[in-house]
Amino acid sequence: EPEVTQTPSHQVTQMGQEVILRCVPISNHLYFYWYRQILGQKVEFLVSFYNNEISEKSEIFDDRFSVERPDGSNFTLKIRSTKLEDSAMYFCASSYTGSTDTQYFGPGTRLTVL
Amino acid sequence: AQSVTQLDSHVSVSEGTPVLLRCNYSSSYSPSLFWYVQHPNKGLQLLLKYTSAATLVKGINGFEAEFKKSETSFHLTKPSAHMSDAAEYFCVVRRPQAGTALIFGKGTTLSVSS
Repeated sequence: EPEVTQTPSHQVTQMGQEVILRCVPISNHLYFYWYRQILGQKVEFLVSFYNNEISEKSEIFDDRFSVERPDGSNFTLKIRSTKLEDSAMYFCASSYTGSTDTQYFGPGTRLTVL
Repeated sequence: AQSVTQLDSHVSVSEGTPVLLRCNYSSSYSPSLFWYVQHPNKGLQLLLKYTSAATLVKGINGFEAEFKKSETSFHLTKPSAHMSDAAEYFCVVRRPQAGTALIFGKGTTLSVSS
């Protein structure tokens, strides 16, 4: 069964550095998403991406965050100038269509900012 | 704005006994509702979804949920718990025609003892 994969499973970085989290969505899916979960808190929506552009984003997704689909298989989340409060589990998801379709999630990348 | 409240942060049952995980939603519109499950070190897996068809929704692994508009509830049940059901369960809402973002509850940890 096809699944969403994410790398790395755990990323440790120093405050102020840049990190790139990588995701490989399910191959025929057209919509891609990032969510995050700070320890002990709810899973929160960050951004959705379709047709090579952001279709929706939350207030969390400030100008330090960016997303990209650099090739036909990868979907990345870049965080510049990382802050301590960026420490969280980041989940990638994908779906075939947009608002009516099931989103399939990856296992997550745990980001620790020191 | 739509939201979900999971009424129990932790539920403990014995193997073979019924499971009830409670969820209430708040939405000005008829929402799409989902239950996702997360096993340790795994991605979020869809258990079932409600999208305004039948109010009783059957999902994978013997789980089902009933949409009750009058009570604004979408509780998850299973007649007989299995050890493999031990996991974190998330109730999720999405407002139709309002974008792609999923809104998560805080999660309920289900423990199953032998």
